[in-house]
Amino acid sequence: NAGVTQTPKFQVLKTGQSMTLQCAQDMNHNSMYWYRQDPGMGLRLIYYSASEGTTDKGEVPNGYNVSRLNKREFSLRLESAAPSQTSVYFCASSAIPPGLTQWSYNSPLHFGNGTRLTVT
Amino acid sequence: SQQGEEDPQALSIQEGENATMNCSYKTSINNLQWYRQNSGRGLVHLILIRSNEREKHSGRLRVTLDTSKKSSSLLITASRAADTASYFCATAGNTGNQFYFGTGTSLTVIP
Repeated sequence: NAGVTQTPKFQVLKTGQSMTLQCAQDMNHNSMYWYRQDPGMGLRLIYYSASEGTTDKGEVPNGYNVSRLNKREFSLRLESAAPSQTSVYFCASSAIPPGLTQWSYNSPLHFGNGTRLTVT
Repeated sequence: SQQGEEDPQALSIQEGENATMNCSYKTSINNLQWYRQNSGRGLVHLILIRSNEREKHSGRLRVTLDTSKKSSSLLITASRAADTASYFCATAGNTGNQFYFGTGTSLTVIP
């Protein structure tokens, strides 16, 4: 049982290049999330998806796009990378039933091991 | 932002000692969760405490919650070198499926 799998593990981009970070979970979870982690800032939510076909902005969505391809996969795209997007990116999933929220349904998040992205 | 703040930012103790870290948050919560992150890895869920609970135990972990002070503490008893990690508290937003993390406490347990 792999849990949450992220690819690639490491990536170096030049300013202006684009790339897609891939995430897949095999736990049949409805909710999926993308976070970035920066020193001293904790984890900040970029986008989340409550169910297949829906996506919502988090705290820091600018410069990113997401696609919930199906129930298993949630990708994060950087269209034109900037040095400020140098960070560690984490994907997570949670077993919240459709129609309920994190607030009303006490469910932990399951994380992948991250993608370390450097933009030069 | 509902983001929590952990205190202290860093903590260094000897193996066998207890480690206590604190979390403060800004708005009302339904539950509060604690996570551990080993170096170079993703976060792992440790324990969840509901807003109507004051204390919860799981193995060597003890979590307390004081909703009147908007704070929680995580106690790790009889620490081991393997407990060396960063620890984060997290709370859910009251709309949607947003989930907010604090800035973390870095714990070092010296063998």
